[in-house]
Amino acid sequence: EAGVVQSPRYKIIEKKQPVAFWCNPISGHNTLYWYRQNLGQGPELLIRYENEEAVDDSQLPKDRFSAERLKGVDSTLKIQPAELGDSAVYLCASSSGTLSLGGDTQYFGPGTRLTVL
Amino acid sequence: AQSVTQLDSQVPVFEEAPVELRCNYSSSVSVYLFWYVQYPNQGLQLLLKYLSGSTLVKGINGFEAEFNKSQTSFHLRKPSVHISDTAEYFCAVNNNAGNMLTFGGGTRLMVKP
Repeated sequence: EAGVVQSPRYKIIEKKQPVAFWCNPISGHNTLYWYRQNLGQGPELLIRYENEEAVDDSQLPKDRFSAERLKGVDSTLKIQPAELGDSAVYLCASSSGTLSLGGDTQYFGPGTRLTVL
Repeated sequence: AQSVTQLDSQVPVFEEAPVELRCNYSSSVSVYLFWYVQYPNQGLQLLLKYLSGSTLVKGINGFEAEFNKSQTSFHLRKPSVHISDTAEYFCAVNNNAGNMLTFGGGTRLMVKP
């Protein structure tokens, strides 16, 4: 079974430029998550989707960040414009939703390491 | 609100020695507890999780953890570590509402030959 796929793996951009990250979850997983992991810290949730609906985006900085999950499968996370402080690893995860949500295992992709110069 | 504290940012240990990585959590409701491992330049991989039942949970790669409700802890242990266990380990908590998986700051396990 293929795991969570993310691309690109690495991205270097100048500040004020736009950037987008793509995620393909495990087949059949209805719940998709985007996390940001700053250097030396644990991941922090940005947004959670149930199918195509964003059900928890309270931690997403909406002035510059946006996300979409058209058709409830792949998802894209965008930053426009990027700032120096956005340098981090952006992780995508998915879960099946077969257990109660809190106990559902989240499977993580390898992440996209963003460097903003 | 819920939070997770991993008391040790780094744990150096010699190969074949036992190790314990500490995790304490706070939450006003019942929780589910997880340990994830992250190897360099990779995503997080689930080691084990506690949902209910037996407080001693066994996971992959010989790791186990014990849920202690009175001490609000979920420490991770391995009786004999290998060089390949060198990685970052994250403790995480989620509540019954499932709204947010909250991670600790991580513990870097460094296994020396």
